[in-house]
Amino acid sequence: SQQGEEDPQALSIQEGENATMNCSYKTSINNLQWYRQNSGRGLVHLILIRSNEREKHSGRLRVTLDTSKKSSSLLITASRAADTASYFCATDWMNRDDKIIFGKGTRLHILP
Amino acid sequence: ETGVTQSPTHLIKTRGQQVTLRCSSQSGHNTVSWYQQALGQGPQFIFQYYREEENGRGNFPPRFSGLQFPNYSSELNVNALELDDSALYLCASSLGLILNPRDNEQFFGPGTRLTVL
Repeated sequence: SQQGEEDPQALSIQEGENATMNCSYKTSINNLQWYRQNSGRGLVHLILIRSNEREKHSGRLRVTLDTSKKSSSLLITASRAADTASYFCATDWMNRDDKIIFGKGTRLHILP
Repeated sequence: ETGVTQSPTHLIKTRGQQVTLRCSSQSGHNTVSWYQQALGQGPQFIFQYYREEENGRGNFPPRFSGLQFPNYSSELNVNALELDDSALYLCASSLGLILNPRDNEQFFGPGTRLTVL
């Protein structure tokens, strides 16, 4: 079963605008990760946020985590054409080893 | 580049055949996980190997099997291929729980695209 679910499924924005994607999950977690995937290739790890953290930054990326709502958001500021990709959140299951469960992803398209 | 390599990059098989996919983990990593990603979906966890032992399995039938070798590289074997096995197969390596108890950052290879006709 899917642990994480991203919203929206697809997003198109103009270059330079900010893109926000959301992820909801079902069970308690140790951490949540965001990954990017270009055109059906391998996944690139973007950022990991632990359950005791509320916000984390990495370059143009900002991730928030609200464990009370079981949700996370990924904000990409000043988007570029190269940001066009699919974005997945992945959660572990607390006390279930170190396997991670992916959502279905958000397909982001940056318009020139 | 993550340092995780997979071979082959593409593969075409017919229904009923068997296939072996290979993965070399990043240097220093002792854990390999395999995922199946159907078109338009997120990766689905198949199984994980830690120090040559299976360390958990997702909802996949026994015809999906694996191996991990002493150098921590890994194979995924699929017997009696079905049309629905067509997918991108991803492997990911990580340090494993003991060395990395709360951070399970995984480093993914580029994947093997399997087409079953």
